[in-house]
Amino acid sequence: SQKIEQNSEALNIQEGKTATLTCNYTNYSPAYLQWYRQDPGRGPVFLLLIRENEKEKRKERLKVTFDTTLKQSLFHITASQPADSATYLCAPYGDDKIIFGKGTRLHILP
Amino acid sequence: NAGVTQTPKFQVLKTGQSMTLQCAQDMNHNSMYWYRQDPGMGLRLIYYSASEGTTDKGEVPNGYNVSRLNKREFSLRLESAAPSQTSVYFCASTVLAALQETQYFGPGTRLLVL
Repeated sequence: SQKIEQNSEALNIQEGKTATLTCNYTNYSPAYLQWYRQDPGRGPVFLLLIRENEKEKRKERLKVTFDTTLKQSLFHITASQPADSATYLCAPYGDDKIIFGKGTRLHILP
Repeated sequence: NAGVTQTPKFQVLKTGQSMTLQCAQDMNHNSMYWYRQDPGMGLRLIYYSASEGTTDKGEVPNGYNVSRLNKREFSLRLESAAPSQTSVYFCASTVLAALQETQYFGPGTRLLVL
């Protein structure tokens, strides 16, 4: 069955450093992949979308890569700030459905 | 422009009680969705409505019913609540009738079934 894996452990990163989150998928060939941010007690908020024919996408301090050979997407936040602390969800789309990963909790330490 | 709104924010039910979760969007989106989110699990799709007048089952539809009242509103009903339905419920919408689009989420309804 299709499976999405994100870092199950929380990620602690020092302020100013680059945070890198991983999303791996199996038994799945997504046409594209989205990343969402979710703060405690709130609904997810869309951040970035990357298509299968794109290697990399950037938006301000955010960068997403998509490697269909490795079946993996990496999400980077450069010059991280405490305000970036949240849970980040990856959501590949394929086979007429979108599947959300469980998310990775990111803590940016001041 | 409020986006996607959900009511109530919190609810406690006893096993066997019924209730309806309300969702409305003011973005003129065609499609609307209901998800549930449980600890240690990703968001799981319960039902969706590609357009006004249509509804389809998602991954976990058992125990739920939905109504697309008009283009703005999409409600989720629990006819006989069970403890397994304790969860956080999110409504979402997209511009077109496609799950693959960017989804706009509401703030969620936290439901506890005793």
